[in-house]
Amino acid sequence: DGGITQSPKYLFRKEGQNVTLSCEQNLNHDAMYWYRQDPGQGLRLIYYSQIVNDFQKGDIAEGYSVSREKKESFPLTVTSAQKNPTAFYLCASSRRRGGDIQYFGAGTRLSVL
Amino acid sequence: GENVEQHPSTLSVQEGDSAVIKCTYSDSASNYFPWYKQELGKGPQLIIDIRSNVGEKKDQRIAVTLNKTAKHFSLHITETQPEDSAVYFCAASIGGDTGGFKTIFGAGTRLFVKA
Repeated sequence: DGGITQSPKYLFRKEGQNVTLSCEQNLNHDAMYWYRQDPGQGLRLIYYSQIVNDFQKGDIAEGYSVSREKKESFPLTVTSAQKNPTAFYLCASSRRRGGDIQYFGAGTRLSVL
Repeated sequence: GENVEQHPSTLSVQEGDSAVIKCTYSDSASNYFPWYKQELGKGPQLIIDIRSNVGEKKDQRIAVTLNKTAKHFSLHITETQPEDSAVYFCAASIGGDTGGFKTIFGAGTRLFVKA
């Protein structure tokens, strides 16, 4: 059963805490992405990776960090520097960069305690 | 900068009627235009896409049209059903492995289909 798995589904962050959102894909895709979704807004790109050990900042990378040590995994860390982290986070992958279908996970909803 | 404008933000139709969502993009280099459907609490899923060498594409009750000159593309849903109720996103992307990555999403349209 191929696809993208995000975990956890719900996550709570305390003040000053770093939290990590997991994203795993078994589609053998090269490109992976992290988006943030706020109510009434579209998807805003946080980070993307076109290949293992390489990643690029998106439009709203401040307060976030990523790694891409394996092709199938692209975890996102929301650091304490991100002052407004409450949002729905979506991970996606595509066979190649640009001009291709993106397959999305079910998302992680992050809230601040 | 580059952007994709999507209208309307909310659309309410009666079951069986048609729904039309429109998007305008700014980057003339865009050549791939997907549409995604997002149901409550889930990730978006592709429902139809079109490439710049095609003017129209249809898949059962869903169709997409593209006007490259006007940099405008639209989603048409006919014979709407309650299960069509969701948020729909358009996107404009530049394809090809030699170009830089870029996919820009519209802000979304919340479609309500009343039974």
